[in-house]
Amino acid sequence: GAGVSQSPSNKVTEKGKDVELRCDPISGHTALYWYRQSLGQGLEFLIYFQGNSAPDKSGLPSDRFSAERTGGSVSTLTIQRTQQEDSAVYLCASSTRTGEETQYFGPGTRLLVL
Amino acid sequence: GNSVTQMEGPVTLSEEAFLTINCTYTATGYPSLFWYVQYPGEGLQLLLKATKADDKGSNKGFEATYRKETTSFHLEKGSVQVSDSAVYFCALRRNDYKLSFGAGTTVTVRA
Repeated sequence: GAGVSQSPSNKVTEKGKDVELRCDPISGHTALYWYRQSLGQGLEFLIYFQGNSAPDKSGLPSDRFSAERTGGSVSTLTIQRTQQEDSAVYLCASSTRTGEETQYFGPGTRLLVL
Repeated sequence: GNSVTQMEGPVTLSEEAFLTINCTYTATGYPSLFWYVQYPGEGLQLLLKATKADDKGSNKGFEATYRKETTSFHLEKGSVQVSDSAVYFCALRRNDYKLSFGAGTTVTVRA
């Protein structure tokens, strides 16, 4: 079946602009995760959604970052007033549920802030 | 807190050579351990995993054994191929859902 998809695959924006990154998880997966892969920080957890529970936002680096998940499926990560240090690959993953389940990753969105 | 340390790359090998990528971890309790692989232009894929001490994960000729006494999960393959060229990430997950990743090791296999 189809894997996790993300769009856009690449995004170039100017400092100060807002960007939205989209993730379509695997159908039927109730858990959704966002990670960030950057040169200086490696791969780091950002946010986690599970069903209708309140998301775990503990990994978001600042209040310029937010995410939502509509209808328990598609998720959007929004970065407001982008800064150059936001340049990174943003990865989305999903799993059937939390705990011991394997997380399946999408191809990522490569964000470059000029 | 949880952390993963893996050997720095890049690693360059010839085909059929033996590959080892060292990975050690720091965590309280009994984390699950993973190796993920990222092939050029593709997303992260789970390569193998182990969920308890002495478990051996294996896939595509790769193996890694969960060593609690040395807090290690080294990745090995006896005979690499050009198609194994990728970035390899060691990761752990404690009793929640967050994966903590190592910095990644870039492996290049030459024909």
